[in-house]
Amino acid sequence: GESVGLHLPTLSVQEGDNSIINCAYSNSASDYFIWYKQESGKGPQFIIDIRSNMDKRQGQRVTVLLNKTVKHLSLQIAATQPGDSAVYFCAEAAGGYQKVTFGTGTKLQVIP
Amino acid sequence: KAGVTQTPRYLIKTRGQQVTLSCSPISGHRSVSWYQQTPGQGLQFLFEYFSETQRNKGNFPGRFSGRQFSNSRSEMNVSTLELGDSALYLCASSLDSGGPQHFGDGTRLSIL
Repeated sequence: GESVGLHLPTLSVQEGDNSIINCAYSNSASDYFIWYKQESGKGPQFIIDIRSNMDKRQGQRVTVLLNKTVKHLSLQIAATQPGDSAVYFCAEAAGGYQKVTFGTGTKLQVIP
Repeated sequence: KAGVTQTPRYLIKTRGQQVTLSCSPISGHRSVSWYQQTPGQGLQFLFEYFSETQRNKGNFPGRFSGRQFSNSRSEMNVSTLELGDSALYLCASSLDSGGPQHFGDGTRLSIL
């Protein structure tokens, strides 16, 4: 039969505001936690990663926070722009980067 | 530097046929991973190749196979195609198993 599509949570943000995308992970032994952005018709694009021994890492307009106590990962995007509209995936990698497991994704809609 | 290149971009096959997809990694990258992306299951790991050897494998039936050549280019083969194999097949490459993966834009496979 037909497979039911994943219900992607959607986050709607006004242009210029900050966005926070959250993710819960499952494997406490993961070495890296990664954020990817996927635009329509394209493959996932690497945004930023964080090692498991860190709790915060900053990039250009993005910050990733890792809370190992509650197995929670978040991506903060400052001054969100229309070009940030996409589906964002968190992922966790074990064995270095050998085996990467992706979350279900969050759709970010930026309202101009 | 050229990104990950996947060919063909689109493919239509019928049930029972077989298909081969191709992936050229970023120059210098030796690790190549394959993923299946569907609305129902999200992004699922198929397998990873490093230096022509399959090092990791996901939970897919034996109809899904792959190989890697000495120049790190990789191919993925699916035999006896089923309707459920309709998906976006993504290839990702990394320098080695210790670095973030960079994705191509995928091959959209449709089974009639």
